[in-house]
Amino acid sequence: DVKVTQSSRYLVKRTGEKVFLECVQDMDHENMFWYRQDPGLGLRLIYFSYDVKMKEKGDIPEGYSVSREKKERFSLILESASTNQTSMYLCASSLSVAGLNNEQFFGPGTRLTVL
Amino acid sequence: GDSVTQMEGPVTLSEEAFLTINCTYTATGYPSLFWYVQYPGEGLQLLLKATKADDKGSNKGFEATYRKETTSFHLEKGSVQVSDSAVYFCALSGGTNAGKSTFGDGTTLTVKP
Repeated sequence: DVKVTQSSRYLVKRTGEKVFLECVQDMDHENMFWYRQDPGLGLRLIYFSYDVKMKEKGDIPEGYSVSREKKERFSLILESASTNQTSMYLCASSLSVAGLNNEQFFGPGTRLTVL
Repeated sequence: GDSVTQMEGPVTLSEEAFLTINCTYTATGYPSLFWYVQYPGEGLQLLLKATKADDKGSNKGFEATYRKETTSFHLEKGSVQVSDSAVYFCALSGGTNAGKSTFGDGTTLTVKP
C-alpha cells in the first residue's frame, strides 16, 4: 500500500512564526502536491512538484513556498504565518507515467491553527 | 480550463436508501475520472475510477459510469449504510493540466440509522 505521511496531525502556531509542514511518500512517486481544504471551498492546490527540485505554483501560492530536495519528501513552508492560513493541509502524491492519468494518494492531513 | 461540478450537499439519507451524487465535468482531451471519499478526520482516499468512455468503476457497492456524451460520472449505491457517512469528491485527471487533478467541491453524506 502507498503510504503518504504528514509530520503532524494538529499544529498550533502564532502569527508571524515560520511554519514547516512535512510530507513523505514511500512509493517512489514523481508527483507531489500540497492542498488546503476549507469549508465551502473544497480542495485548493497550493503547489505541486513533478520532480526533485522542481515546483510549480498552483491556484493559491501566495504566502507559501515549497521545497523538494529528495524524491520522497515535499515540504510546505509558511514564511510568516497569518490567521487566514488556519486550515486543513493535505499532501498527496501520484505516479507520472506517460499516457496514464493516475489517481492521487493522500496523507491524513495537518490541521493548522494560527493564533 | 478543466472543471468539475458536483451535486451540492449536504445529503441526508436513511440506512438502506438509494444514493445518487451527480457529477459533471468540462475538460479537453481524454481525462480519467475519479471518486474519492474522505471520512471524518482523515485524508481523501480513492473510491473508484474510470479511464475511458463507457467504463464503469465500482468498489464497496458504489458504482459510476463514464458518460462522455453527457460529460457525467454520477456516483450510485443501492443501499447505503451508516458507515458510508463521509464527504465524496468527484475529480478528473489528464485534461488541460497534465499531471494535476481537478476536484469538485465535495458532497457531505450523512446516513441515519
